[in-house]
Amino acid sequence: KQEVTQIPAALSVPEGENLVLNCSFTDSAIYNLQWFRQDPGKGLTSLLLIQSSQREQTSGRLNASLDKSSGRSTLYIAASQPGDSATYLCAGDRGSTLGRLYFGRGTQLTVWP
Amino acid sequence: EAQVTQNPRYLITVTGKKLTVTCSQNMNHEYMSWYRQDPGLGLRQIYYSMNVEVTDKGDVPEGYKVSRKEKRNFPLILESPSPNQTSLYFCASSLSGYEGTQYFGPGTRLLVL
Repeated sequence: KQEVTQIPAALSVPEGENLVLNCSFTDSAIYNLQWFRQDPGKGLTSLLLIQSSQREQTSGRLNASLDKSSGRSTLYIAASQPGDSATYLCAGDRGSTLGRLYFGRGTQLTVWP
Repeated sequence: EAQVTQNPRYLITVTGKKLTVTCSQNMNHEYMSWYRQDPGLGLRQIYYSMNVEVTDKGDVPEGYKVSRKEKRNFPLILESPSPNQTSLYFCASSLSGYEGTQYFGPGTRLLVL
């Protein structure tokens, strides 16, 4: 069974800091990996998708990488802002169960002015 | 606007009273699925559908039914709800189960008394 660990569970930083959120899978055979953001009482917003043939994706101040050999992914947030405050979830699927995302429990991020 | 919609957003019901949560997407996606999110357990897949008339169980299917008669709709049916089905439910869709970003609906918060 796939287990997904996200570290840290919570993070509180001042505005402007560069951040690293970590995610690891017990089964390193990840096919697609996706990072989401969840705001309180809201749904999940997709941030970045790393597809099977890729190792990295960038969108604005966000950069995500995936090391398939170790089953680890990192989300890098540059120059954090208060609007980045949310819970960040990583999720991946496996070749044997494509489309079924296995989620971590999230990193709750607070960025204060 | 490309989106996944769910109804209702909030529902309070009693044990044993059948209910249906609707899900609809306007992106012509083939793959649709349902997740539940519980504190300490994260998101877990209930059922998924690779295409019209093709559905299969996810990780936690007990107590739920689904159907996929049209490409855009994927309702979740609770024939006899129980208190342990109190949860936050999300519908998701993607182009296929093999690739593509997964888009999530806004969630349905269900309380079973």
